[in-house]
Formats: sequence, structure tokens, C-alpha cells
Amino acid sequence: NAGVMQNPRHLVRRRGQEARLRCSPMKGHSHVYWYRQLPEEGLKFMVYLQKENIIDESGMPKERFSAEFPKEGPSILRIQQVVRGDSAAYFCASSQTPGENTEAFFGQGTRLTVV
Amino acid sequence: DQQVKQNSPSLSVQEGRISILNCDYTNSMFDYFLWYKKYPAEGPTFLISISSIKDKNEDGRFTVFLNKSAKHLSLHIVPSQPGDSAVYFCAASGGADGLTFGKGTHLIIQP
Repeated sequence: NAGVMQNPRHLVRRRGQEARLRCSPMKGHSHVYWYRQLPEEGLKFMVYLQKENIIDESGMPKERFSAEFPKEGPSILRIQQVVRGDSAAYFCASSQTPGENTEAFFGQGTRLTVV
Repeated sequence: DQQVKQNSPSLSVQEGRISILNCDYTNSMFDYFLWYKKYPAEGPTFLISISSIKDKNEDGRFTVFLNKSAKHLSLHIVPSQPGDSAVYFCAASGGADGLTFGKGTHLIIQP
């Protein structure tokens, strides 16, 4: 009964390259959330997805960032043309039902370093 | 504009004593609150939660208190153990969206 799986754990990209972060939710969970943690900061909500749908992307930067959660396969957070400021830990969480009275289970995160 | 605030970046407590971590929020729409614990290089793990219809929830050594009128919640750990040393995040939810997190408090348990 695996938990939320994120890969890779560490990702190094040069400025201008693309970064792809993957998240497989817990079995039976159809709600996925992406968070970003900058140094010395708490986790900041980025996007909430259900299968094939983006429910809330209010925390996503308007440019270069996109997310998907296809019918088959993991959720992907994609960052195009990365810049140094994108360096952070990106965490994915999943839950069985949205919001109320349920906790989200987190993956171990992907640490993105832009050089 | 931080909606969830943890004003103590760090807290040092002696082993065996009580650890009290505090959290304040500003958004009246929040109705569900959670505490997460995080070790370095790992994802946050859920600890305990409380709904806004309650003022206390207890689970073993962990108790969360909610004061709605003051928009304040606290996590009590009794007795504190060395393995409790970690960063603790307070989080709040107002519905089906993502959680809003505080910046965390680094708890250090001293032997």
C-alpha cells in the first residue's frame, strides 16, 4: 500500500530548460494537490486537480507553469524555461475526497535546483 | 498577506516537558485545521486535525485546541520526546481547495 510517490527526488536543470515533476497519488485517491516550498517559507498551494480536470490553479504562476492529471498515469507539474527563482521543493499531496474533514497525504517531494 | 501565521520560527523544550506550538489565522472561512510534521528531506506527515465545530481534539500525546473567537489554535505535545524534533506546520482549509500553510515552527527537544 504505497503512499504518494514523487519522482525524481532531486532534479537539476540549467536555466532555460524544462522541468517535469511526477506524482502518483495513493491508491484510491483521485484528488491531487501541488505545493511549493521556498527556502525559509511554508508550503504554498499551487494547483488542485482531479482526474483530467484542473479544479483550482489560483496558486500557479501565470506563465511557464502547467499541471495535468491524465486519466491514466501520474500527475505532472511542468515548468518551462526554468529560472533560478524556481529552485524549491515541490510537494504533491493526494486525498480521497476533497477538502472537508480529510487530510491530504504528502509525497517526499522533488527538490528542483536551477543552475 | 499571510492567512495562517506561526509566529515562532523555533521552539526549544526539554525532554519530558510539554511542547506548545501556536498558530493564528485571519480568514473566517477556514473551518478545518490540521497539523503536519516534517523531517528534513521528507514530505510533511499528517499529525492531527480539528473541525471548527470542536474546540479540542486529542490523539495520544497530541492535543489540538481551537479558539474560534480568537482565531487561534495550538498543538500540545505531552510528554515531549526526542523523536518529536521536527518542523511543525499549521494548515487551514476552507472547503475543497488546497490547504493554506503557516511558515512552520522548528521544535527542538533537548535531552
